Amino acid sequence: SQKIEQNSEALNIQEGKTATLTCNYTNYSPAYLQWYRQDPGRGPVFLLLIRENEKEKRKERLKVTFDTTLKQSLFHITASQPADSATYLCALPLSGGYQKVTFGIGTKLQVIP
Amino acid sequence: DAGVIQSPRHEVTEMGQEVTLRCKPISGHNSLFWYRQTMMRGLELLIYFNNNVPIDDSGMPEDRFSAKMPNASFSTLKIQPSEPRDSAVYFCASSFLENEQFFGPGTRLTVL
Repeated sequence: SQKIEQNSEALNIQEGKTATLTCNYTNYSPAYLQWYRQDPGRGPVFLLLIRENEKEKRKERLKVTFDTTLKQSLFHITASQPADSATYLCALPLSGGYQKVTFGIGTKLQVIP
Repeated sequence: DAGVIQSPRHEVTEMGQEVTLRCKPISGHNSLFWYRQTMMRGLELLIYFNNNVPIDDSGMPEDRFSAKMPNASFSTLKIQPSEPRDSAVYFCASSFLENEQFFGPGTRLTVL
């Protein structure tokens, strides 16, 4: 069956360091992969989309990589700040449904001042 | 634009009662999604509509759940009868063609 894996344990890092979050998937060949941020008591907010033919994408301090051979995406936040503390979710489209995505459980990031 | 609007924000009801959650998508968006989020299962897609037509309802847990989208600016998710295991946060999201989904603030449902 199709599966998305994110490290469900919280990630604690020191302010100023680079945070790296992992999203692994099995039995997928997704056309794209998305990353969302979710703050407590709020809905997820879209951050980045990377397509299968793109190896890397950047947006300000964010960088996403997509390795279709390893079936893995890495999400990096450089020069992390306490305001980056949130839960980060990856999402992939199920086969046969381009708009229908499945979300990972999310990884909670805590940036310590 | 006000973004995706959901109501109510919080709902507390007793087992067996009917619950109706409401969503107003972003104007101009042609797809609408209903999700449920719990600590154990994360964010699960229940149903999604495209141009007001239900495309995939395979995530609807059982016949107690139903969703409608009578027009492009309004959708409802109904649970009848509600059960304690339905307690969760329910999100509505909308999108237009591209893959980015815009989520509403959610409805926190508690069934006693």
